[in-house]
Amino acid sequence: DGGITQSPKYLFRKEGQNVTLSCEQNLNHDAMYWYRQDPGQGLRLIYYSQIVNDFQKGDIAEGYSVSREKKESFPLTVTSAQKNPTAFYLCASSMTPGGAMNTEAFFGQGTRLTVV
Amino acid sequence: AQSVTQPDIHITVSEGASLELRCNYSYGATPYLFWYVQSPGQGLQLLLKYFSGDTLVQGIKGFEAEFKRSQSSFNLRKPSVHWSDAAEYFCAVGGRNKLVFGAGTILRVKS
Repeated sequence: DGGITQSPKYLFRKEGQNVTLSCEQNLNHDAMYWYRQDPGQGLRLIYYSQIVNDFQKGDIAEGYSVSREKKESFPLTVTSAQKNPTAFYLCASSMTPGGAMNTEAFFGQGTRLTVV
Repeated sequence: AQSVTQPDIHITVSEGASLELRCNYSYGATPYLFWYVQSPGQGLQLLLKYFSGDTLVQGIKGFEAEFKRSQSSFNLRKPSVHWSDAAEYFCAVGGRNKLVFGAGTILRVKS
């Protein structure tokens, strides 16, 4: 079945450590996105990528990094520079010809990151 | 800049009652509008979308939404709510390269 797989579902990290969240899709979508979700704030865009080897900062990119070496994969690294990393992270993908968000975005099941 | 406002943080309705969730957007051009639903600890599922044409759009699970350009609104409706509809609902507007989401409305269904 086609879809987006995020792993792990739960992740615990000690303060000062970097951690990488995995996101893989087999939908053959060009565009991939990372969102952060906090209660009462909706989803905020961290990074997005329209094509392989290219990505752009979203609204809250500070303290995060990404790579897009393959079309199927878009891992997110939460660095120690992120001041408040505890959150629910969602990966999404879509077909977006020319960058126009006129098609459905498909979401993974999310990773809940907790800093301990 | 694009923005989405969902004025109601929580809504409680009785099972079998009708439902309307409000959404107002700000966008300079013709918007692409979406409603998503999220169960606790899960990803988001698309309920319906509006790109152009008929302003009343039908979605899955018996939901519909009406686009009103004059009011910059895209409210979600359902004639009869089921207990399984309890979830969080997000309205989103699609612009260049990204979706912008509202803060969400948590729907509680009482029996």
